[in-house]
Amino acid sequence: ETGVTQTPRHLVMGMTNKKSLKCEQHLGHNAMYWYKQSAKKPLELMFVYNFKEQTENNSVPSRFSPECPNSSHLFLHLHTLQPEDSALYLCASSQSDRIPEAFFGQGTRLTVV
Amino acid sequence: AQTVTQSQPEMSVQEAETVTLSCTYDTSENNYYLFWYKQPPSRQMILVIRQEAYKQQNATENRFSVNFQKAAKSFSLKISDSQLGDTAMYFCAFCAGNNRKLIWGLGTSLAVNP
Repeated sequence: ETGVTQTPRHLVMGMTNKKSLKCEQHLGHNAMYWYKQSAKKPLELMFVYNFKEQTENNSVPSRFSPECPNSSHLFLHLHTLQPEDSALYLCASSQSDRIPEAFFGQGTRLTVV
Repeated sequence: AQTVTQSQPEMSVQEAETVTLSCTYDTSENNYYLFWYKQPPSRQMILVIRQEAYKQQNATENRFSVNFQKAAKSFSLKISDSQLGDTAMYFCAFCAGNNRKLIWGLGTSLAVNP
């Protein structure tokens, strides 16, 4: 069992759909992150949660809505996405948001049609 | 602005040989961390090695070692005795001061050939 698990691995959704990405970590960490990975671009940090509180929102459009019910689970709710939102979405965790060493999940490959 | 540059988009190496991936960064901070992550086809980003800027000794992890040149702001990764499983994208990342955000390079695609 990997330390950080993401589901689903692949997702195809229409622009009018609503879907959610799920991330679960089994490492006892207190910080969790959502990243977006697109071709030819550096990894983009989207959101940071520390002890369930959001500590970072990197000007992410409101069609992406994060939820962190506890330190082990993180969701990314998606609605009315655009084709340019197609990317690999990576979840990560670390001991806290003051400690940069992060452990990643395998990502969700999202395609918006 | 803090930036990370990986100047080699693609590299290849023969199995059992040694390869060096380059990374340079730009910062005015004095205290920071540097990382190399590996992303194989499975897509999971895996931490390979980390270096604290205040440490003069280069970090090593088994076949992986770094050449950290603080004055030159250079942080290269050396992979010795390359194995087929080392085939992956390699990302250099940087984190400085009170801002704990990781700043990422664009990556180097490494192919290890049999």
